Amino acid sequence: QKEVEQNSGPLSVPEGAIASLNCTYSDRVSQSFFWYRQYSGKSPELIMSIYSNGDKEDGRFTAQLNKASQYVSLLIRDSQPSDSATYLCAVQIQGAQKLVFGQGTRLTINP
Amino acid sequence: GAVVSQHPSRVICKSGTSVKIECRSLDFQATTMFWYRQFPKQSLMLMATSNEGSKATYEQGVEKDKFLINHASLTLSTLTVTSAHPEDSSFYICSARGGINSYEQYFGPGTRLTVT
Repeated sequence: QKEVEQNSGPLSVPEGAIASLNCTYSDRVSQSFFWYRQYSGKSPELIMSIYSNGDKEDGRFTAQLNKASQYVSLLIRDSQPSDSATYLCAVQIQGAQKLVFGQGTRLTINP
Repeated sequence: GAVVSQHPSRVICKSGTSVKIECRSLDFQATTMFWYRQFPKQSLMLMATSNEGSKATYEQGVEKDKFLINHASLTLSTLTVTSAHPEDSSFYICSARGGINSYEQYFGPGTRLTVT
């Protein structure tokens, strides 16, 4: 079982709709969770971090964390074509410096 | 804030030569820097973790004598690919951690290496 799992997609969403991206992780002592966006040919860009259970909102983005069920999700409201990218979920395990990345979900927003 | 730069952005070198890539944190002190490699349409692969003033910790399967990492200051880490071969051609990306939100990692723009 992979440590961090994401559906590789592609996930297609119409413009203006809500895009929902999901991620599960296997290590129960994971403590910090991140969502990165990566455009083709570019490096990842941090868009959200979440550390405690519940929702965290930043503009059109909402991260949701449920430690009991070991999943973290990202919602993108009012999706725009410019949101089309690969979204990487990353998890930091307690006591470790490095992040463990999922394989990424490719999201396409259709005009 | 939290800006990381890399230089060069793109490099082409001949097989057998060495290439140095620089990673700088521009507006914060990076206690820890990370080096990743990414092949086309594949996931990020962590190569090594580097703490300022310490030897880097390499991931399994990464040759430390081939990929030399130096983290001599809190704002600069370098990766040297020694005796490069065509199979080393890849997208090399650094990230840095350590500012106010020290759990967060910020990535540099990456360096595209082509070995001919």
